[in-house]
Amino acid sequence: DAGVIQSPRHEVTEMGQEVTLRCKPISGHNSLFWYRQTMMRGLELLIYFNNNVPIDDSGMPEDRFSAKMPNASFSTLKIQPSEPRDSAVYFCASKSNSGRGDTQYFGPGTRLTVL
Amino acid sequence: DAKTTQPPSMDCAEGRAANLPCNHSTISGNEYVYWYRQIHSQGPQYIIHGLKNNETNEMASLIITEDRKSSTLILPHATLRDTAVYYCIVSVLTGGGNKLTFGTGTQLKVEL
Repeated sequence: DAGVIQSPRHEVTEMGQEVTLRCKPISGHNSLFWYRQTMMRGLELLIYFNNNVPIDDSGMPEDRFSAKMPNASFSTLKIQPSEPRDSAVYFCASKSNSGRGDTQYFGPGTRLTVL
Repeated sequence: DAKTTQPPSMDCAEGRAANLPCNHSTISGNEYVYWYRQIHSQGPQYIIHGLKNNETNEMASLIITEDRKSSTLILPHATLRDTAVYYCIVSVLTGGGNKLTFGTGTQLKVEL
């Protein structure tokens, strides 16, 4: 299994530009999570989906952030417009709800730099 | 979710057991204790979890006190590759997915 796949791995953009981060969860997993990690705030949960439906988006910082999961194998996190304070590493994780199903598997992350 | 308290850093000699403590004095009856670790520049990695019984897997052992107010993660023979930030998290299972709240964790440094 390839694990959770995220793209791009690195993104450098200018303030005001739209940024789209992509995630492909592990096949067969039912839940998908987006996290953000910064030195100041640590690792924060932004939003999570269960069976493609957003369950909790209370961690999404502002309306500039939006996330979608059009199908079980793909999710996007969009920032529009981007700001320098959005610079962070963004992780996607997925989890199976079957069996013990307690383990979240994280992707390698996307390092975003907004200039 | 209940809050956890961990020491900010610990050192361990290679080959020795690393014992990482965690306090979770406000844990409720239906909350599990999870441990994840994050090696520099990588995504967090699941290690182990438990409810009230001690647990062991190929990576580590988890010892939970009888009152469930604290736990210890044990890496029996630490290696240099175990150098990482270790997160202790308590969480319930919610609506098909457990919501994990990461704290600041313990930076474990394994040295020769």
